Amino acid sequence: GNSVTQMEGPVTLSEEAFLTINCTYTATGYPSLFWYVQYPGEGLQLLLKATKADDKGSNKGFEATYRKETTSFHLEKGSVQVSDSAVYFCALSDQGYSTLTFGKGTMLLVSP
Amino acid sequence: NAGVTQTPKFQVLKTGQSMTLQCAQDMNHNSMYWYRQDPGMGLRLIYYSASEGTTDKGEVPNGYNVSRLNKREFSLRLESAAPSQTSVYFCASSEIRGDQPQHFGDGTRLSIL
Repeated sequence: GNSVTQMEGPVTLSEEAFLTINCTYTATGYPSLFWYVQYPGEGLQLLLKATKADDKGSNKGFEATYRKETTSFHLEKGSVQVSDSAVYFCALSDQGYSTLTFGKGTMLLVSP
Repeated sequence: NAGVTQTPKFQVLKTGQSMTLQCAQDMNHNSMYWYRQDPGMGLRLIYYSASEGTTDKGEVPNGYNVSRLNKREFSLRLESAAPSQTSVYFCASSEIRGDQPQHFGDGTRLSIL
């Protein structure tokens, strides 16, 4: 079956530091890959996505590249802000299907 | 833009009580989903409806039932609540294709005593 593994948190950084949150996946076929963000007390919001190998998704300074050879979709940001403090979820959907498989989430805490 | 609306936002039940969580979307999406979120577990799919008139079990369906009332509305029912069902419940909707993102409501925080 499908699975998503992401690094455990919390990840604690100072403002303006570089962020990497690792995500690897197991899937049959050619899944679409997503990063979602959840702010305290809210639902999940799509952060970025990539639908085929070597695609780079980007949004709000965050980037992730779909690496089929390493089955990875690591999230990066060059300079984090306090407002980026949230829980980040990596997820995949099988080709042709809309159901998502989520990782367990990584909490990011950014201090001033 | 309302997006996905869930009611209620908070609820406390006693063991054995029943309850229906409501979800409505205004994006004309075909597919709708119910998840539960527990600490350290991520989101787990309870049930989903790929299109109006169909429902399917997800990863953790036991103790739940669903109804796709129409294209807009998808409800989740707990017939006899148990403490293990204490969780945050999220409804989501999307187009039916796998490369389209899901849109989430703000959740229902349910405690069962």
